[in-house]
Amino acid sequence: EAQVTQNPRYLITVTGKKLTVTCSQNMNHEYMSWYRQDPGLGLRQIYYSMNVEVTDKGDVPEGYKVSRKEKRNFPLILESPSPNQTSLYFCATQRGPQETQYFGPGTRLLVL
Amino acid sequence: GQSLEQPSEVTAVEGAIVQINCTYQTSGFYGLSWYQQHDGGAPTFLSYNALDGLEETGRFSSFLSRSDSYGYLLLQELQMKDSASYFCAVRGAGNMLTFGGGTRLMVKP
Repeated sequence: EAQVTQNPRYLITVTGKKLTVTCSQNMNHEYMSWYRQDPGLGLRQIYYSMNVEVTDKGDVPEGYKVSRKEKRNFPLILESPSPNQTSLYFCATQRGPQETQYFGPGTRLLVL
Repeated sequence: GQSLEQPSEVTAVEGAIVQINCTYQTSGFYGLSWYQQHDGGAPTFLSYNALDGLEETGRFSSFLSRSDSYGYLLLQELQMKDSASYFCAVRGAGNMLTFGGGTRLMVKP
């Protein structure tokens, strides 16, 4: 079964405590992205990757890091989380830029 | 940069047809896509238009006019389960995607 998994699904943390949200896909897709979703602002792309070791900034990359060391995984790293990073985060994958984009179930993050 | 505008809310009755418009201003354009998101769920891809014209997939159709920087999503034979938020998104260089703020569609019996 084609899957995009994210972990954790829910996380409460404190300002400054480094955290990683994992994203894994079993569809052998080249393209992967991270988004955050906030009320009234829709989805905003944080980073995207078009292949292993190829990543680029989206609209709102500040405060985030990513890595793509293997095709199936695309972790999102918050080195020093702040309250304004409280949000719902989605990972997504697609075979190519014009292809269907599949979203993970989302990670709800609260930074106190 | 990119900016997209779509209505914040649309209401229609079951069985009707509804059109959700999206206008965009971009520094680079490679295509327009549409997504559906139910409350509490993840977005689901609906369609992608890279060229002008109409793309039809079942009850849903999507249209693009690049000269007008405009597109729309057409939903026919509305069903209650179509109540959701709908987002347009512009693809720029690389795989940069910029989303509109979303249109909340309410389908009434």
